[in-house]
This record gives sequence, structure tokens and C-alpha cells, in this order.
Amino acid sequence: GAVVSQHPSWVICKSGTSVKIECRSLDFQATTMFWYRQFPKQSLMLMATSNEGSKATYEQGVEKDKFLINHASLTLSTLTVTSAHPEDSSFYICSAAGTAYEQYFGPGTRLTVT
Amino acid sequence: AQSVTQLGSHVSVSEGALVLLRCNYSSSVPPYLFWYVQYPNQGLQLLLKYTTGATLVKGINGFEAEFKKSETSFHLTKPSAHMSDAAEYFCAVSTLDTGRRALTFGSGTRLQVQP
Repeated sequence: GAVVSQHPSWVICKSGTSVKIECRSLDFQATTMFWYRQFPKQSLMLMATSNEGSKATYEQGVEKDKFLINHASLTLSTLTVTSAHPEDSSFYICSAAGTAYEQYFGPGTRLTVT
Repeated sequence: AQSVTQLGSHVSVSEGALVLLRCNYSSSVPPYLFWYVQYPNQGLQLLLKYTTGATLVKGINGFEAEFKKSETSFHLTKPSAHMSDAAEYFCAVSTLDTGRRALTFGSGTRLQVQP
């Protein structure tokens, strides 16, 4: 199956700093990628839909100025958490859209803000 | 709008026993249904999916699920549990309703397998 990678897999940052997370589709081109957030022992919540070459579509309640998404190429989408705070600590997972409405998920990035 | 309900946040079975994880969905249009598995600190791996056609879908690792439109259900089963099946399982639905191809996930079911 298709492979999606995320980098970094784990990051610790200080409050007030920004962190960039990369999501790459390694063996296919993804015009659409999705960013999810998962709190401990909870389900995945969709944050935004990222389309190559256009602005991301954010879900209600997600601050677009805080969670900057860029989808500059068919294989790369980035999520930047700006001015991070401890409440932003979470597991962030990206996925790339395949055929038949299937999504291929990355391994996730655990963000801890101290 | 679409939604997914997974009954039972925790399910515990003995090794070799039947696994049954329940999923009910709500959708105003024909759904695409998925089961994903998540191991600790990892992303999601697709177990199986239903789009159209045969309602009994076979997936990886011996899992299967049956789409029952009349019951709006898509329960996941495996005849004999293995210790390696212990993980978190998510049911998800996607429709053409919004054209966004986004997935709506259930709350998840943690499967424990007892030796």
C-alpha cells in the first residue's frame, strides 16, 4: 500500500515557540491531505483539509492562524503550530487521500509543549 | 451530516475467542465504511473497507466486517483472537455528501486479549 511519512515523530518545544511538522506521501501523489489531532485515549479529530496549491480548509473551531498548513507540492504538506502552548500538546496525524475515499495515514507526531 | 458510534470503549476477550467490535453509522447518503487499527504511538493502519458490491468484506489479519444497510451497522469480527490483535480499533465513515473525502471516526474500541 501507499506510504506516508511524518517528521519529526516526536518533538518537545518551549511555550511560545513554533513547530513545523512535515507529512510526505512517498510513493504516490496526493492532491489532498488531511491533518488530525488525537488526545490521549480519544479518537481522531479532523483539523483541516489540505489541497495542493490552494488554501487549506479548516474545521470549525480550529484556529487557522495558529495551525498554519501549507501544501506546496503533491507529496508534501506541512503543519506549523505557531506560538505553541501546553494545551497544544497532542498527537498529530496526517493522511493522504487515495482512491475510493481511502486515506493512508502517517505514523503521527507527538508534540509536547513545556 | 454523518456520524459513527462504536459501542463499547473496551472489549476484552481470551486468546482464541471470537472478536466482535460493534460499529453503527448515520448517513443520509450511501456511505463508504472503514475499520482502522492503531497500535500505541503509531498512526492508523487500514484493516478493511466497504465501498460498493459485496457486503461481507475481508481484510488483513483475519478480520472481516459485514455492511448491513437495514441495521446501519458495520461490525468487525475475527473468529480467533491473537495476542497481537490487542490495539485500538476505529470505525470510520466517508460520504460524497460534502465532496471533501474527509473521514468521520468513531470514538474507538480498545481490544484486550487475555492469555
